[in-house]
Amino acid sequence: ETGVTQTPRHLVMGMTNKKSLKCEQHLGHNAMYWYKQSAKKPLELMFVYNFKEQTENNSVPSRFSPECPNSSHLFLHLHTLQPEDSALYLCASSQDLAGAWGEQYFGPGTRLTVT
Amino acid sequence: DQQVKQNSPSLSVQEGRISILNCDYTNSMFDYFLWYKKYPAEGPTFLISISSIKDKNEDGRFTVFLNKSAKHLSLHIVPSQPGDSAVYFCAASGGGATNKLIFGTGTLLAVQP
Repeated sequence: ETGVTQTPRHLVMGMTNKKSLKCEQHLGHNAMYWYKQSAKKPLELMFVYNFKEQTENNSVPSRFSPECPNSSHLFLHLHTLQPEDSALYLCASSQDLAGAWGEQYFGPGTRLTVT
Repeated sequence: DQQVKQNSPSLSVQEGRISILNCDYTNSMFDYFLWYKKYPAEGPTFLISISSIKDKNEDGRFTVFLNKSAKHLSLHIVPSQPGDSAVYFCAASGGGATNKLIFGTGTLLAVQP
């Protein structure tokens, strides 16, 4: 595997379910990100991790819980979601947070539907 | 309030012609701008960037122009190819306490053969 991978690619869950999204980067990067993309809206940054430490939480509701066990893996644990949480969830990585957070490498995303 | 705006949701261009994608921003503190391209079922991929100390950056068929006084940047693709058909996102960073990227909503470019 190369680049940034995400599993699952598609997920349908009920509002009372608990599920997790997984992201893995094979680029040797130190920073990882979770983004949310809702229909007709810009990509919205959710969380940032740098060297496994969370450096940014963009006022995300607690029903989204990130976990970064090492610099290569990032999880997003989901519980008691709402239908409006249905969106494309994208993971990204970059070498580090030095300077602008440009040139982030994105995974293909997980299309989440909450019923 | 959107700080980065792409007012054209879609653009159709003939193969071989120039494609011009536009982006406006409101935060004068932004100092780094990027364009990403996204194909269906794939994540966005970095295309080209420009620092606010420049007004033009060129990479092959892709050129980004920055007009700081107008708070406007544009991406020129010439000549356009059918494989360029994708959603193009403009992003900016440098505003506020962190350098996080602020994205626009994207423009869907269709290059007709």
